[in-house]
Amino acid sequence: QKEVEQDPGPLSVPEGAIVSLNCTYSNSAFQYFMWYRQYSRKGPELLMYTYSSGNKEDGRFTAQVDKSSKYISLFIRDSQPSDSATYLCAMIPRDFGNEKLTFGTGTRLTIIP
Amino acid sequence: NAGVTQTPKFQVLKTGQSMTLQCAQDMNHEYMSWYRQDPGMGLRLIHYSVGAGITDQGEVPNGYNVSRSTTEDFPLRLLSAAPSQTSVYFCASKAQGLNTGELFFGEGSRLTVL
Repeated sequence: QKEVEQDPGPLSVPEGAIVSLNCTYSNSAFQYFMWYRQYSRKGPELLMYTYSSGNKEDGRFTAQVDKSSKYISLFIRDSQPSDSATYLCAMIPRDFGNEKLTFGTGTRLTIIP
Repeated sequence: NAGVTQTPKFQVLKTGQSMTLQCAQDMNHEYMSWYRQDPGMGLRLIHYSVGAGITDQGEVPNGYNVSRSTTEDFPLRLLSAAPSQTSVYFCASKAQGLNTGELFFGEGSRLTVL
């Protein structure tokens, strides 16, 4: 079993819809949680970062962490065609320092105009 | 400000050939790493370095070598290419001591081994 599980999709939704992307994990030591966005044929770029449990909002994006359920989510409101990309969750354990990220496999998202 | 630069962008090799993927960053980051990305497997860490002269293995190090003689450069060497090494390779760097986990990625190097 992988440490981080992510539904690979693909996921297609109409423009303006609310998108929910999710990851589950098995390592209870994970303490830092991130979402990266990767456009086609580009490198990933950091979208959201959260520490421990709770919500964090940045514009149309909300990251949610539920450590009791080992479950993290990324919500995109008022989705736009420019949001079409692959979204990868990533995590770092509290006991390793701050170097090794463990990534999910990524969810490919398409926003239909 | 170029960020993380990878060369070449595309490469085709024959089985058994060797080559080096170059990575350079101009952000004075201490930490640099190499990942490979394969369909259904996500990003897997190959090797990483926390500073010049210091390297360590990641999740999938077999068949690859790295060295770190300067802060800026972190080349990845394929010793004897195999078809299983067909992948997209990403170099990434980050600043030490910042608790954000933000890796800055290059645009990738697409390698095909025949």
